[in-house]
Amino acid sequence: NAGVMQNPRHLVRRRGQEARLRCSPMKGHSHVYWYRQLPEEGLKFMVYLQKENIIDESGMPKERFSAEFPKEGPSILRIQQVVRGDSAAYFCATQDQLNTEAFFGQGTRLTVV
Amino acid sequence: KNEVEQSPQNLTAQEGEFITINCSYSVGISALHWLQQHPGGGIVSLFMLSSGKKKHGRLIATINIQEKHSSLHITASHPRDSAVYICAAKTQGGSEKLVFGKGMKLTVNP
Repeated sequence: NAGVMQNPRHLVRRRGQEARLRCSPMKGHSHVYWYRQLPEEGLKFMVYLQKENIIDESGMPKERFSAEFPKEGPSILRIQQVVRGDSAAYFCATQDQLNTEAFFGQGTRLTVV
Repeated sequence: KNEVEQSPQNLTAQEGEFITINCSYSVGISALHWLQQHPGGGIVSLFMLSSGKKKHGRLIATINIQEKHSSLHITASHPRDSAVYICAAKTQGGSEKLVFGKGMKLTVNP
């Protein structure tokens, strides 16, 4: 069991480009949470997905951000037309069901230049 | 006021000292996580607890549900314990998302 895998670990994008962040859950985990850590700030919830469904997206910015968790393959957090303020560390956490321990990935550090 | 508050925000200790990190929360929780993050690194879950006390090696976590307070203790601290320690409340019902404290930066000097 390789644990929660996020890639890429580091991503540099120019303003206006798209960023795609991937999260492969631990085997057997069907619940995925995405969190964002802005520089010098704490982690904040973005979105919660189960296979093929967005359950709670109350923390997602209304524009440019989207997330999916298809039946096959990793969960994807997509940021369109990135701006400097999107520079942050993005973490996913996965678990096998509600009320169980969450396991975090290593994070993707996005830098917008 | 943040829903999850940690104190102190920074702590410098000498190797061997006993360390306590505090966390208070105001939301209803199903559980509380203690997390560790090294600079530029990933996040490791140290404990998830919903009552009482848990121990793993030199780490002990306690929670008082009535007082909405949790503590993380490190015994015989070591420089490799230097990291940011984050308290996160798993919210009750719905998505059970985590609400995080701002973290406490611990530096243990040799």
